[in-house]
Amino acid sequence: DQQVKQNSPSLSVQEGRISILNCDYTNSMFDYFLWYKKYPAEGPTFLISISSIKDKNEDGRFTVFLNKSAKHLSLHIVPSQPGDSAVYFCAAYNTDKLIFGTGTRLQVFP
Amino acid sequence: NAGVTQTPKFQVLKTGQSMTLQCAQDMNHEYMSWYRQDPGMGLRLIHYSVGAGITDQGEVPNGYNVSRSTTEDFPLRLLSAAPSQTSVYFCASGEDRQETQYFGPGTRLLVL
Repeated sequence: DQQVKQNSPSLSVQEGRISILNCDYTNSMFDYFLWYKKYPAEGPTFLISISSIKDKNEDGRFTVFLNKSAKHLSLHIVPSQPGDSAVYFCAAYNTDKLIFGTGTRLQVFP
Repeated sequence: NAGVTQTPKFQVLKTGQSMTLQCAQDMNHEYMSWYRQDPGMGLRLIHYSVGAGITDQGEVPNGYNVSRSTTEDFPLRLLSAAPSQTSVYFCASGEDRQETQYFGPGTRLLVL
């Protein structure tokens, strides 16, 4: 039972354009959401988070949007850069447990 | 600060063998956790700990044991390795359960 779903396994975007990564969740008890970025042979690193009391959070080129009624969040990267090429994981907290999605591989090409 | 360290980086086991994956952090974090990453499955939570002496099960705990005798260390034990436990294992720590989690570099385990 996948509580956090990333339905697009991969995404390819041209440098300078917007990258939009999507995430859906099923558990309405989730109250805190995060995005992590992972390069090959490294551990995931924290990117940005959002509390369920907000619907948007920005940090530089990265913005996360939360739509609680749709149980959907998205990560926008503007402008996309080649160094953004990585696997992006959406994650959500259920009390003490941090549950991850399956990941989306983003490739930013010149 | 070394952050979160994991040893070994890579290990090959035979079915039925036991081993311990080590995880240590030097940030005085209370919350620590273990994940496994498999193709198409993302990161799945195995066990976690909210402080020394306190552990609990995650999404996929079967076949794994943990203990937390100190704040710094959170070892993961495989009692009798199975090929299904072939995976990349990540340890993470954070100041609290809802704070940013910092991940180690991972241990790649192959069970033959």
